[in-house]
Amino acid sequence: RKEVEQDPGPFNVPEGATVAFNCTYSNSASQSFFWYRQDCRKEPKLLMSVYSSGNEDGRFTAQLNRASQYISLLIRDSKLSDSATYLCVVNTRSGTYKYIFGTGTRLKVLA
Amino acid sequence: EAGVTQSPTHLIKTRGQQATLRCSPISGHTSVYWYQQALGLGLQFLLWYDEGEERNRGNFPPRFSGRQFPNYSSELNVNALELEDSALYLCASSFPGSGFGANVLTFGAGSRLTVL
Repeated sequence: RKEVEQDPGPFNVPEGATVAFNCTYSNSASQSFFWYRQDCRKEPKLLMSVYSSGNEDGRFTAQLNRASQYISLLIRDSKLSDSATYLCVVNTRSGTYKYIFGTGTRLKVLA
Repeated sequence: EAGVTQSPTHLIKTRGQQATLRCSPISGHTSVYWYQQALGLGLQFLLWYDEGEERNRGNFPPRFSGRQFPNYSSELNVNALELEDSALYLCASSFPGSGFGANVLTFGAGSRLTVL
């Protein structure tokens, strides 16, 4: 089983739609969680950290479920510019920090 | 504030040669991470340096090595290049602690290595 798993997609959605991605992780000792966005052939950029109580940043909402070991990202009112690959990142500190990246979920927002 | 800078942007080598990639972290960041991203694949963790020391290493052969300098910049060396080493090599930096922004990775634009 992979340490961090994501549905690769692609998720093809029309503009204005709401779309949600899930990411599961295997290490219950994982401490911090992030969503990154990566555009084609570019570097990943931090979208948002994920806090235990859940958090929102504009159209983006992130949730953490420690009991089931998954995090989610909800995008409301999708824009064409949201088309990208969304990477789930889990940080496990078992002696040393270790950031594990999921393989990403591709999102295509269609006009 | 300057971000994470990597050089060279592109590098073309032949099998058996050596490649050296360089990374300058954001000012104040003491940790540098290296990742490999082959075309169409996810990020694979290579190395983590903090305060000049190697703290963690991914599942890569010993021909992947690196170091961190006193100014926290870092270089990644890949010896005896193989075709499958062709990839985007990404460097990220972070600063420790518990405050806002601590332990969050910021990436450079990457160095694209092509092995012919």
